[in-house]
Amino acid sequence: DPKIIQKPKYLVAVTGSEKILICEQYLGHNAMYWYRQSAKKPLEFMFSYSYQKLMDNQTASSRFQPQSSKKNHLDLQITALKPDDSATYFCASSQEEDRENERLFFGHGTKLSVL
Amino acid sequence: EQQVQQSPASLVLQEAENAELQCSFSIFTNQVQWFYQRPGGRLVSLLYNPSGTKQSGRLTSTTVIKERRSSLHISSSQITDSGTYLCAMGLSGSFNKLTFGAGTRLAVCP
Repeated sequence: DPKIIQKPKYLVAVTGSEKILICEQYLGHNAMYWYRQSAKKPLEFMFSYSYQKLMDNQTASSRFQPQSSKKNHLDLQITALKPDDSATYFCASSQEEDRENERLFFGHGTKLSVL
Repeated sequence: EQQVQQSPASLVLQEAENAELQCSFSIFTNQVQWFYQRPGGRLVSLLYNPSGTKQSGRLTSTTVIKERRSSLHISSSQITDSGTYLCAMGLSGSFNKLTFGAGTRLAVCP
């Protein structure tokens, strides 16, 4: 019974289009994150949110916009998609964002393929 | 730029053998986590070990801060241990902004 739900699991998009990746967590956590894993790079940090506020942004491109409509939601909107955006996008959460001894829990990921 | 190096890149074991996975960091870190990932699957947190030795079942992690390294020992490997093992580091004030290594792919054969 997954506690971090990501939708969809697989997504195919055409270059130039826009997609939204959905993430909901039911762990009662206050911090949520997005990570990306591509074939060419190790898993890399993108964003962190704490109590629905953006804490850290390591994504250079403004085409990636997190959206938090509720405390347990952190969606990721990607505009003007490029083939290089093809990757698996993982949502994660932890009880708090800035505390030691916090374990990170990950969703199953959304595998995005941009043609 | 913060970097995490993992070795070996891949490892093949016979069932019941032990495995030793290594991780080294380009800078000093006060947070080290080990994760397990099945092909195409989610990541599972195995151990949080910022320093010293921590054990969880058949897994033992040893982190030596001053040497900027951590290891993960898997004892009595099982076929179900097959997958990718990732280590990650964080920094004070950004504990969950993790930098990951490329992983060690482990295959355990019968």
